[in-house]
Amino acid sequence: DTAVSQTPKYLVTQMGNDKSIKCEQNLGHDTMYWYKQDSKKFLKIMFSYNNKELIINETVPNRFSPKSPDKAHLNLHINSLELGDSAVYFCASSLPSEHTEAFFGQGTRLTVV
Amino acid sequence: SQQGEEDPQALSIQEGENATMNCSYKTSINNLQWYRQNSGRGLVHLILIRSNEREKHSGRLRVTLDTSKKSSSLLITASRAADTASYFCATHGDTGRRALTFGSGTRLQVQP
Repeated sequence: DTAVSQTPKYLVTQMGNDKSIKCEQNLGHDTMYWYKQDSKKFLKIMFSYNNKELIINETVPNRFSPKSPDKAHLNLHINSLELGDSAVYFCASSLPSEHTEAFFGQGTRLTVV
Repeated sequence: SQQGEEDPQALSIQEGENATMNCSYKTSINNLQWYRQNSGRGLVHLILIRSNEREKHSGRLRVTLDTSKKSSSLLITASRAADTASYFCATHGDTGRRALTFGSGTRLQVQP
């Protein structure tokens, strides 16, 4: 019973392609996130949704578009992939309260060639 | 920009020894959290300390927080080979922004 699951785990694709990463959580959380971890292990918030509503949109290129069909799902679609998009992308969820932990998915390693 | 820096970047110790990792941050916070990341895996929450707390324990973990110095430390006592992982501090700011800001991480290697 995985709490936060994201697919696929590995994604290798060519420059210019469009790809999606899916995320689902079964914890009943209202808030979901996408984080990007670069090759130096730095983790940075990309997007945050609360109850299907976008609440955080960091300085991420327009090629990245999150979609939340319901509060249990937050997918990430990336258009026109570039080499610099290669990274590990993590989905996470939490309760709305700030004094609460975040639960992370296993990550999607995206490699753009 | 990164919220915080972690020190050291890498740490190698023998099983049974204690491991101490430090974290500094820049802005006012509601709480500070520590996470562990095993190689190729997601992050797992270890402990949360609120801004009005100075020390917290959980099993072999001890976390301190000094808000005047904007710093925190994570101590793992009697380390085990299974503790080998990267450890990240993360802060939740007091601006109502619902996302964690992570430090750069410490890579811990525990030699059996």
